[in-house]
Amino acid sequence: KNQVEQSPQSLIILEGKNCTLQCNYTVSPFSNLRWYKQDTGRGPVSLTIMTFSENTKSNGRYTATLDADTKQSSLHITASQLSDSASYICVVKVKNDMRFGAGTRLTVKP
Amino acid sequence: NAGVTQTPKFRVLKTGQSMTLLCAQDMNHEYMYWYRQDPGMGLRLIHYSVGEGTTAKGEVPDGYNVSRLKKQNFLLGLESAAPSQTSVYFCASSQTSGRASEQFFGPGTRLTVL
Repeated sequence: KNQVEQSPQSLIILEGKNCTLQCNYTVSPFSNLRWYKQDTGRGPVSLTIMTFSENTKSNGRYTATLDADTKQSSLHITASQLSDSASYICVVKVKNDMRFGAGTRLTVKP
Repeated sequence: NAGVTQTPKFRVLKTGQSMTLLCAQDMNHEYMYWYRQDPGMGLRLIHYSVGEGTTAKGEVPDGYNVSRLKKQNFLLGLESAAPSQTSVYFCASSQTSGRASEQFFGPGTRLTVL
Protein backbone atom coordinates (compact mmCIF):
# COMPACT_ATOMS: atom_id res chain seq x y z
CA LYS A 1 0.00 0.00 0.00
CA ASN A 2 1.41 3.32 -1.05
CA GLN A 3 2.13 5.50 1.94
CA VAL A 4 1.43 8.63 -0.08
CA GLU A 5 -2.04 8.71 -1.61
CA GLN A 6 -3.13 11.34 -4.10
CA SER A 7 -6.58 12.24 -5.31
CA PRO A 8 -8.12 12.50 -7.73
CA GLN A 9 -6.21 10.22 -10.10
CA SER A 10 -7.14 12.48 -12.98
CA LEU A 11 -8.91 15.77 -13.43
CA ILE A 12 -10.15 17.77 -16.40
CA ILE A 13 -10.87 21.49 -16.04
CA LEU A 14 -11.50 24.41 -18.34
CA GLU A 15 -8.86 27.04 -18.89
CA GLY A 16 -9.13 29.85 -16.37
CA LYS A 17 -10.74 27.72 -13.67
CA ASN A 18 -9.20 26.86 -10.31
CA CYS A 19 -8.58 23.39 -8.96
CA THR A 20 -7.26 21.66 -5.86
CA LEU A 21 -5.29 18.44 -5.72
CA GLN A 22 -5.05 16.37 -2.56
CA CYS A 23 -2.26 14.39 -0.93
CA ASN A 24 -2.62 12.22 2.19
CA TYR A 25 0.36 10.50 3.70
CA THR A 26 0.94 7.99 6.48
CA VAL A 27 4.73 7.98 6.61
CA SER A 28 6.66 9.21 9.61
CA PRO A 29 8.79 10.79 10.86
CA PHE A 30 8.02 13.58 8.47
CA SER A 31 10.88 15.71 7.17
CA ASN A 32 9.40 17.74 4.35
CA LEU A 33 6.78 17.57 1.62
CA ARG A 34 7.25 18.59 -2.00
CA TRP A 35 4.97 19.01 -4.93
CA TYR A 36 6.44 18.25 -8.34
CA LYS A 37 5.07 18.97 -11.81
CA GLN A 38 5.80 16.38 -14.46
CA ASP A 39 5.08 17.26 -18.08
CA THR A 40 4.46 14.36 -20.44
CA GLY A 41 7.74 12.77 -21.48
CA ARG A 42 9.80 14.77 -19.00
CA GLY A 43 11.20 14.40 -15.52
CA PRO A 44 9.50 15.94 -12.46
CA VAL A 45 10.28 19.55 -11.59
CA SER A 46 9.90 20.88 -8.05
CA LEU A 47 7.12 23.41 -7.45
CA THR A 48 7.13 23.87 -3.68
CA ILE A 49 8.66 22.45 -0.55
CA MET A 50 7.25 22.68 2.96
CA THR A 51 8.76 21.65 6.25
CA PHE A 52 6.91 20.64 9.38
CA SER A 53 6.48 24.20 10.63
CA GLU A 54 5.12 25.63 7.38
CA ASN A 55 1.46 25.36 6.50
CA THR A 56 1.36 27.26 3.23
CA LYS A 57 3.76 28.03 0.40
CA SER A 58 3.11 29.79 -2.88
CA ASN A 59 4.87 29.70 -6.22
CA GLY A 60 3.07 31.98 -8.63
CA ARG A 61 -0.36 30.51 -9.34
CA TYR A 62 0.46 27.41 -7.30
CA THR A 63 -0.29 27.38 -3.56
CA ALA A 64 0.48 24.37 -1.42
CA THR A 65 -0.91 23.82 2.06
CA LEU A 66 0.15 21.37 4.72
CA ASP A 67 -1.59 20.09 7.83
CA ALA A 68 1.02 17.98 9.60
CA ASP A 69 -1.47 16.97 12.30
CA THR A 70 -3.86 15.30 9.86
CA LYS A 71 -1.04 14.44 7.43
CA GLN A 72 -2.72 16.13 4.51
CA SER A 73 -1.48 18.49 1.85
CA SER A 74 -3.18 20.19 -1.04
CA LEU A 75 -2.01 21.98 -4.16
CA HIS A 76 -4.27 24.76 -5.38
CA ILE A 77 -3.89 26.05 -8.93
CA THR A 78 -5.43 29.43 -9.66
CA ALA A 79 -6.59 30.64 -13.06
CA SER A 80 -5.42 27.52 -14.84
CA GLN A 81 -3.58 27.69 -18.15
CA LEU A 82 -3.18 25.12 -20.91
CA SER A 83 0.45 24.74 -19.87
CA ASP A 84 -0.69 23.48 -16.46
CA SER A 85 -1.67 20.19 -18.13
CA ALA A 86 0.69 17.72 -16.48
CA SER A 87 0.95 15.20 -13.68
CA TYR A 88 1.39 16.59 -10.19
CA ILE A 89 3.29 14.44 -7.77
CA CYS A 90 3.33 14.70 -4.00
CA VAL A 91 6.58 13.56 -2.38
CA VAL A 92 7.14 13.10 1.34
CA LYS A 93 10.64 12.94 2.74
CA VAL A 94 11.18 10.55 5.63
CA LYS A 95 14.72 10.76 7.04
CA ASN A 96 16.79 10.07 3.90
CA ASP A 97 14.00 8.39 1.92
CA MET A 98 11.60 10.00 -0.51
CA ARG A 99 8.12 8.50 -0.80
CA PHE A 100 6.34 9.36 -4.04
CA GLY A 101 2.64 9.50 -4.67
CA ALA A 102 1.29 8.10 -7.94
CA GLY A 103 0.34 11.59 -9.08
CA THR A 104 -2.76 13.40 -10.31
CA ARG A 105 -3.07 13.81 -14.06
CA LEU A 106 -4.47 17.30 -14.78
CA THR A 107 -5.80 18.23 -18.19
CA VAL A 108 -6.69 21.86 -18.88
CA LYS A 109 -8.97 22.32 -21.88
CA PRO A 110 -9.60 25.54 -23.82
CA ASN B 1 24.16 24.11 -17.58
CA ALA B 2 22.47 21.07 -19.08
CA GLY B 3 21.38 19.87 -15.64
CA VAL B 4 20.72 16.13 -15.63
CA THR B 5 20.89 14.28 -18.93
CA GLN B 6 20.08 10.66 -19.73
CA THR B 7 21.15 8.42 -22.58
CA PRO B 8 19.39 6.84 -24.43
CA LYS B 9 15.88 8.32 -24.52
CA PHE B 10 14.28 5.11 -25.79
CA ARG B 11 15.37 1.50 -26.00
CA VAL B 12 13.78 -1.81 -26.90
CA LEU B 13 15.41 -4.99 -25.65
CA LYS B 14 14.69 -8.66 -25.97
CA THR B 15 14.45 -10.78 -22.84
CA GLY B 16 17.91 -11.75 -21.66
CA GLN B 17 19.75 -8.89 -23.35
CA SER B 18 21.85 -6.48 -21.37
CA MET B 19 22.20 -2.72 -21.51
CA THR B 20 23.52 0.29 -19.63
CA LEU B 21 21.72 3.55 -19.05
CA LEU B 22 23.90 6.60 -18.60
CA CYS B 23 23.10 9.56 -16.38
CA ALA B 24 25.24 12.69 -16.33
CA GLN B 25 24.95 15.85 -14.24
CA ASP B 26 26.93 19.07 -14.50
CA MET B 27 25.88 20.64 -11.18
CA ASN B 28 28.68 19.04 -9.13
CA HIS B 29 26.09 17.23 -7.02
CA GLU B 30 27.20 14.63 -4.53
CA TYR B 31 24.07 12.50 -4.57
CA MET B 32 22.64 10.65 -7.56
CA TYR B 33 19.64 8.36 -7.86
CA TRP B 34 17.97 5.95 -10.24
CA TYR B 35 14.19 5.55 -10.15
CA ARG B 36 11.66 3.66 -12.18
CA GLN B 37 8.17 4.95 -12.89
CA ASP B 38 5.34 2.56 -13.67
CA PRO B 39 1.71 3.39 -14.48
CA GLY B 40 -0.42 4.00 -11.41
CA MET B 41 2.56 3.93 -9.07
CA GLY B 42 4.86 6.50 -7.59
CA LEU B 43 8.52 6.63 -8.53
CA ARG B 44 10.47 3.87 -6.84
CA LEU B 45 14.13 4.12 -5.94
CA ILE B 46 16.34 1.45 -7.50
CA HIS B 47 19.83 2.46 -6.37
CA TYR B 48 21.50 5.62 -5.23
CA SER B 49 24.96 7.04 -4.62
CA VAL B 50 26.14 9.43 -1.94
CA GLY B 51 29.42 10.19 -3.69
CA GLU B 52 31.98 9.07 -6.22
CA GLY B 53 32.81 5.40 -5.79
CA THR B 54 29.84 4.66 -3.52
CA THR B 55 26.50 3.03 -4.27
CA ALA B 56 23.61 1.71 -2.20
CA LYS B 57 20.42 -0.23 -2.74
CA GLY B 58 17.05 1.42 -2.84
CA GLU B 59 13.57 0.02 -2.66
CA VAL B 60 13.66 -2.17 -5.81
CA PRO B 61 17.31 -3.07 -6.58
CA ASP B 62 16.91 -6.64 -7.85
CA GLY B 63 17.97 -7.17 -11.46
CA TYR B 64 19.94 -3.91 -11.60
CA ASN B 65 23.51 -2.88 -10.94
CA VAL B 66 25.03 0.59 -10.75
CA SER B 67 28.40 2.26 -10.81
CA ARG B 68 29.63 5.75 -9.94
CA LEU B 69 33.21 5.87 -11.18
CA LYS B 70 33.07 9.61 -11.81
CA LYS B 71 31.21 12.16 -9.72
CA GLN B 72 29.23 13.45 -12.68
CA ASN B 73 28.12 10.05 -14.01
CA PHE B 74 25.84 7.35 -12.62
CA LEU B 75 25.33 4.20 -14.70
CA LEU B 76 22.44 1.78 -14.39
CA GLY B 77 22.96 -1.71 -15.80
CA LEU B 78 20.58 -4.50 -16.63
CA GLU B 79 22.51 -7.75 -16.99
CA SER B 80 19.63 -9.91 -18.23
CA ALA B 81 16.55 -7.88 -19.06
CA ALA B 82 13.10 -9.17 -18.16
CA PRO B 83 9.66 -7.94 -19.32
CA SER B 84 9.00 -6.79 -15.72
CA GLN B 85 11.73 -4.21 -16.24
CA THR B 86 9.70 -2.45 -18.90
CA SER B 87 9.37 1.01 -17.41
CA VAL B 88 10.44 4.62 -17.61
CA TYR B 89 13.71 5.21 -15.79
CA PHE B 90 14.59 8.54 -14.24
CA CYS B 91 17.91 9.68 -12.94
CA ALA B 92 18.12 12.47 -10.37
CA SER B 93 20.81 14.33 -8.49
CA SER B 94 20.98 16.50 -5.39
CA GLN B 95 23.67 18.44 -3.58
CA THR B 96 22.90 16.81 -0.25
CA SER B 97 20.28 14.58 1.29
CA GLY B 98 19.40 17.21 3.85
CA ARG B 99 15.98 18.37 4.87
CA ALA B 100 15.52 20.97 2.15
CA SER B 101 17.67 19.39 -0.52
CA GLU B 102 16.00 19.34 -3.92
CA GLN B 103 16.39 16.51 -6.39
CA PHE B 104 16.77 17.48 -10.02
CA PHE B 105 15.49 14.94 -12.51
CA GLY B 106 16.58 13.97 -15.98
CA PRO B 107 14.14 13.60 -18.89
CA GLY B 108 13.80 9.83 -18.53
CA THR B 109 14.57 6.72 -20.56
CA ARG B 110 11.68 4.63 -21.83
CA LEU B 111 12.69 0.97 -21.86
CA THR B 112 10.63 -1.82 -23.36
CA VAL B 113 11.62 -5.44 -22.83
CA LEU B 114 9.96 -7.89 -25.20
